Amino acid sequence: AAGVIQSPRHLIKEKRETATLKCYPIPRHDTVYWYQQGPGQDPQFLISFYEKMQSDKGSIPDRFSAQQFSDYHSELNMSSLELGDSALYFCASSTGQSIGNTIYFGEGSWLTVV
Amino acid sequence: GESVGLHLPTLSVQEGDNSIINCAYSNSASDYFIWYKQESGKGPQFIIDIRSNMDKRQGQRVTVLLNKTVKHLSLQIAATQPGDSAVYFCAENTGGFKTIFGAGTRLFVKA
Repeated sequence: AAGVIQSPRHLIKEKRETATLKCYPIPRHDTVYWYQQGPGQDPQFLISFYEKMQSDKGSIPDRFSAQQFSDYHSELNMSSLELGDSALYFCASSTGQSIGNTIYFGEGSWLTVV
Repeated sequence: GESVGLHLPTLSVQEGDNSIINCAYSNSASDYFIWYKQESGKGPQFIIDIRSNMDKRQGQRVTVLLNKTVKHLSLQIAATQPGDSAVYFCAENTGGFKTIFGAGTRLFVKA
């Protein structure tokens, strides 16, 4: 079965640079979520989109932005990168609200800021 | 603020034994809870969920118990296998499109 696809899988950027992560949800899933997971930490909710509109917001820095496109894929844009942004970024998708609907996670995108 | 946390950071069990992973949550208004398994370098994988109108739910080798009185959640894994070694997270849905993860518990299965 098709899963959530994230790209790139690995990314190395320098401080103050910009990075863009892409997420392709499971077909027919209309909701996308972004999480950030630092080493040894739990995934931190960043932001979610439902039907191309922002549906909920978590601890996403102002330097980050995201959107969901007409084909339901989503992109997370990160600017003025800092060393502390180095983490594993997960995208997840579901149908509709997450209550009662299983959220499926991608394999993540490793971002290293040097 | 709301938070979901785990009592123990690591748990070591013998292969074949049962495992119990505990979780405490603070938001009494939450009505949906999920357990995830995360293997090294991979995304969280759904294990089992439970809604607040239930106190127990069983899956294949796994059982989730919910005690709303003390805001406690547990995951029981029967006949633990080496493949169960991973980090386990409980997560809480605060309504709508946001699921909050608690700190994980690393499960080690000894052969």
